[in-house]
Amino acid sequence: NAGVTQTPKFQVLKTGQSMTLQCAQDMNHNSMYWYRQDPGMGLRLIYYSASEGTTDKGEVPNGYNVSRLNKREFSLRLESAAPSQTSVYFCAGGGGTNYGYTFGSGTRLTVV
Amino acid sequence: AQTVTQSQPEMSVQEAETVTLSCTYDTSESDYYLFWYKQPPSRQMILVIRQEAYKQQNATENRFSVNFQKAAKSFSLKISDSQLGDAAMYFCAGDSNYQLIWGAGTKLIIKP
Repeated sequence: NAGVTQTPKFQVLKTGQSMTLQCAQDMNHNSMYWYRQDPGMGLRLIYYSASEGTTDKGEVPNGYNVSRLNKREFSLRLESAAPSQTSVYFCAGGGGTNYGYTFGSGTRLTVV
Repeated sequence: AQTVTQSQPEMSVQEAETVTLSCTYDTSESDYYLFWYKQPPSRQMILVIRQEAYKQQNATENRFSVNFQKAAKSFSLKISDSQLGDAAMYFCAGDSNYQLIWGAGTKLIIKP
């Protein structure tokens, strides 16, 4: 009963490198989300997918791309990492129901 | 636009006492959900309690309860019989159209 699983937990990138953060959920949620959390702030929405096959921009989408591979999986890609993308990234599933949102354990990304 | 405001960056309470964390949620939507999430040092986002805006009755989950004043746009969290394990960052969030908007958080310190 994993809930929402995201990998990796930690990553260090050099400026200009690319990487993909993976997220998978086993809760049959239609909607999935990627957030970033910067120090002293709440979470900010990067992208979301209201259903399989659809994706939409959130509050801070610049520098990111996403793929909703199937109902279970929603990945976040940084094509050319920048120091401003140093943050903790959270994947979540759920929303719009009585059930709230379930979060993954987060990825701490540092871009040097 | 929706906004969530937490005006208390930090609160402290004596173990076994009661503490109230404040939040205001401003939206033009008539139907929405409000949440309190707890984030301990482990970084995991844990749902504490949720409230549906159309419900008159305030939500309660064991030692946690909310005081939702819709007209005043107030959504406070009361923690009774505070325990050392309650020490964490607490985030208020509002959900409308499948997007969560977050406050900046309140750090709760429990004094033994």
